[in-house]
Amino acid sequence: ETGVTQTPRHLVMGMTNKKSLKCEQHLGHNAMYWYKQSAKKPLELMFVYNFKEQTENNSVPSRFSPECPNSSHLFLHLHTLQPEDSALYLCASSQDLAANYGYTFGSGTRLTVV
Amino acid sequence: DAKTTQPNSMESNEEEPVHLPCNHSTISGTDYIHWYRQLPSQGPEYVIHGLTSNVNNRMASLAIAEDRKSSTLILHRATLRDAAVYYCVSNSNSGYALNFGKGTSLLVTP
Repeated sequence: ETGVTQTPRHLVMGMTNKKSLKCEQHLGHNAMYWYKQSAKKPLELMFVYNFKEQTENNSVPSRFSPECPNSSHLFLHLHTLQPEDSALYLCASSQDLAANYGYTFGSGTRLTVV
Repeated sequence: DAKTTQPNSMESNEEEPVHLPCNHSTISGTDYIHWYRQLPSQGPEYVIHGLTSNVNNRMASLAIAEDRKSSTLILHRATLRDAAVYYCVSNSNSGYALNFGKGTSLLVTP
């Protein structure tokens, strides 16, 4: 357990489904992130939140909708996904956006779109 | 975004030191150099980071070149549990997040 908890660990969804990924941290961190890791590819930054406010959207398609109700929780709402969206979705948190802080990652949600 | 270049894979014998290189010639003067590692079926794990001086912690040492165009992660005695993908990480253009490259897959053999 790293201090960042992601649920569910595995998710299979159809292309017409709507589902949500949840991330929770009780480390007292103020910044939270969503990354996508496809097979054989580097981690891709998706969204950045700081004190609940979105500070970066890395040109992510609108079928991915993030929500950050407070500094401890981060959601990724999914709808009408494509098979190529199948990947490991990783949440991370850090004390601040400042570059000298390390990130704590969750174990990820393995998403399969059928 | 600042780019990092690492070898695709490296191999080490157990209980021997491992030196994992990284080139980051376009890094800015204020960007920290971070290292993470990822074990199978897990999220990345923080290893170490530094700016200019060499850094040590319980997991590893980080040697940063004087010109900051390269760095080396040093595992002093590799164990089988150190087999992982090691990422040398730079800041995104915005500076708000970390950009991960392809990393180096480290194989440790008994």
